[in-house]
Amino acid sequence: AQSVTQLDSQVPVFEEAPVELRCNYSSSVSVYLFWYVQYPNQGLQLLLKYLSGSTLVKGINGFEAEFNKSQTSFHLRKPSVHISDTAEYFCAVDTNAGKSTFGDGTTLTVKP
Amino acid sequence: GAGVSQSPRYKVAKRGQDVALRCDPISGHVSLFWYQQALGQGPEFLTYFQNEAQLDKSGLPSDRFFAERPEGSVSTLKIQRTQQEDSAVYLCASSGALANYNEQFFGPGTRLTVL
Repeated sequence: AQSVTQLDSQVPVFEEAPVELRCNYSSSVSVYLFWYVQYPNQGLQLLLKYLSGSTLVKGINGFEAEFNKSQTSFHLRKPSVHISDTAEYFCAVDTNAGKSTFGDGTTLTVKP
Repeated sequence: GAGVSQSPRYKVAKRGQDVALRCDPISGHVSLFWYQQALGQGPEFLTYFQNEAQLDKSGLPSDRFFAERPEGSVSTLKIQRTQQEDSAVYLCASSGALANYNEQFFGPGTRLTVL
């Protein structure tokens, strides 16, 4: 079985500041890792994914994440956030079975 | 269509009523997933179809929940004798073939409120 822990339920940050949203996972097998963003009353949108290869993954909207196998982490980062980045962010893992296990989400609030 | 669509977007049911939630996946996508997202939590897997075959229903919380995809495209999630704990957003996602892992595309969800 696999599990995902998002270490911060809420992250407030000022506009143009850097941000890191933390995600740790546990799994007995190799995993695929994902970050999704969810805006109010909308479905989840994929930000980025790690399947294999380079551990630094770049996604949409200027986000990136680094896969750290030894620390079983997949933290999401952005060097300078905008008001429009305010949303709920979900980390997810999959073991090639197709179904994903999600964390409970991190609410990112960007303040002017 | 351009993306995954779900209907209705909102559903209010009295306890004990049956409900049916519809998902229209992206045309040509063979895989279809249903998730349940309770308030303040991440989505939790319910069931998975590859074409018309239901390959995994391990996440369905009780035998009151039933899903079908008879022609390998549109899917319906049915909940019988709804209970208050069924209140949640039900998300549908679709993807192409599983080889090399394909991205799941999510619909906007159906928010079910059971009174």
